[in-house]
Amino acid sequence: AQKITQTQPGMFVQEKEAVTLDCTYDTSDPSYGLFWYKQPSSGEMIFLIYQGSYDQQNATEGRYSLNFQKARKSANLVISASQLGDSAMYFCAMRNRGTSYGKLTFGQGTILTVHP
Amino acid sequence: NAGVTQTPKFQVLKTGQSMTLQCAQDMNHEYMSWYRQDPGMGLRLIHYSVGAGITDQGEVPNGYNVSRSTTEDFPLRLLSAAPSQTSVYFCASSSAGALSNQPQHFGDGTRLSIL
Repeated sequence: AQKITQTQPGMFVQEKEAVTLDCTYDTSDPSYGLFWYKQPSSGEMIFLIYQGSYDQQNATEGRYSLNFQKARKSANLVISASQLGDSAMYFCAMRNRGTSYGKLTFGQGTILTVHP
Repeated sequence: NAGVTQTPKFQVLKTGQSMTLQCAQDMNHEYMSWYRQDPGMGLRLIHYSVGAGITDQGEVPNGYNVSRSTTEDFPLRLLSAAPSQTSVYFCASSSAGALSNQPQHFGDGTRLSIL
């Protein structure tokens, strides 16, 4: 069975500093994809970044990057130069090849608070 | 630029009532799914569809029905509402399946309370 674990219920960061949100996963499928979503207080789910299991380089999207350590089964999200608007819930999710649909399995989420 | 549209945004029901949560997407996506979000548990898959006329159960299907008569629409029906179904419901769609890097696009959610 697939499982995503986010061990940090809440994180605090000072504005303009970098922060790392942890995500570990468990799967026996060699082919999978990892996604990070942001959920602000307004409730919508916003896609941030994707990392494929066969990607050679860590994914980056603007201020977001993934610290992907395949052997450790971790895919930590790094947000550089935090902004007040980054305060939100962040979800790590995994999609496996093992199902025809490739459903997303989500972690419990981490609430990030950015202080001015 | 609608994307995935869910209605209603809020709903209060009494135990035993039935209702349908609507979901429509205008991106011609084959894959659609329903999740529920409960505190401390992330999002859990209720039902999903890989195309018109094809649906299957997810992780927590009990008490819910779905159908997919068109590519655009994927309604979720609560047959007899129970307090345990109080949750935030998200509909999502994507253009491809397991091996794709395409993300699922989410609607804005429906906040459902069962009294």
